[in-house]
Amino acid sequence: DAKTTQPTSMDCAEGRAANLPCNHSTISGNEYVYWYRQIHSQGPQYIIHGLKNNETNEMASLIITEDRKSSTLILPHATLRDTAVYYCIYAGGTSYGKLTFGQGTILTVHP
Amino acid sequence: KAGVTQTPRYLIKTRGQQVTLSCSPISGHRSVSWYQQTPGQGLQFLFEYFSETQRNKGNFPGRFSGRQFSNSRSEMNVSTLELGDSALYLCASSLVAGGQQGTQYFGPGTRLLVL
Repeated sequence: DAKTTQPTSMDCAEGRAANLPCNHSTISGNEYVYWYRQIHSQGPQYIIHGLKNNETNEMASLIITEDRKSSTLILPHATLRDTAVYYCIYAGGTSYGKLTFGQGTILTVHP
Repeated sequence: KAGVTQTPRYLIKTRGQQVTLSCSPISGHRSVSWYQQTPGQGLQFLFEYFSETQRNKGNFPGRFSGRQFSNSRSEMNVSTLELGDSALYLCASSLVAGGQQGTQYFGPGTRLLVL
């Protein structure tokens, strides 16, 4: 199974950037890095994904190291509504719909 | 576009009964995946369907089954319910687009309680 390593929990002040790290040292060349988040009792929400280049969308930025063994999700201006569990996952074309979720990082945004 | 819908949202059953959960994917999405989420085991993959065919299956007993219809709607069935089947069951849909099949859109889930 595709295993990633994330800190168990992190805190962030409202309005500041939240930087969530993830290690995925066993990622293969054709596998993408995905980030999801889950707010309590809701279904997970897709945030962003990337292969090797840095990516940005309206929600976040994704920075992938050159060796692709780790990445960082950046929420540029965290709000209280960003408090959630954040999951880092990698998957490729032969995953056939299977995402392997770890324990994720519990991000708490404080006023 | 409407999101992924799941019915029912809440369900209470007793041990030994069976249950059927339904999932309607986002319009145009042909892949549907199912997950079970429990406090102890976290989010675990059950199976995935594409064009009415099961392409992948997680490590669950045969009591867990599913199917997909020609309109991409999917159902999952759990027979002979056990207390440990109490969980949030999540459905996710995706466009099948090469290596980016990991972009999945989840429904709100069905919370099943087995008594």
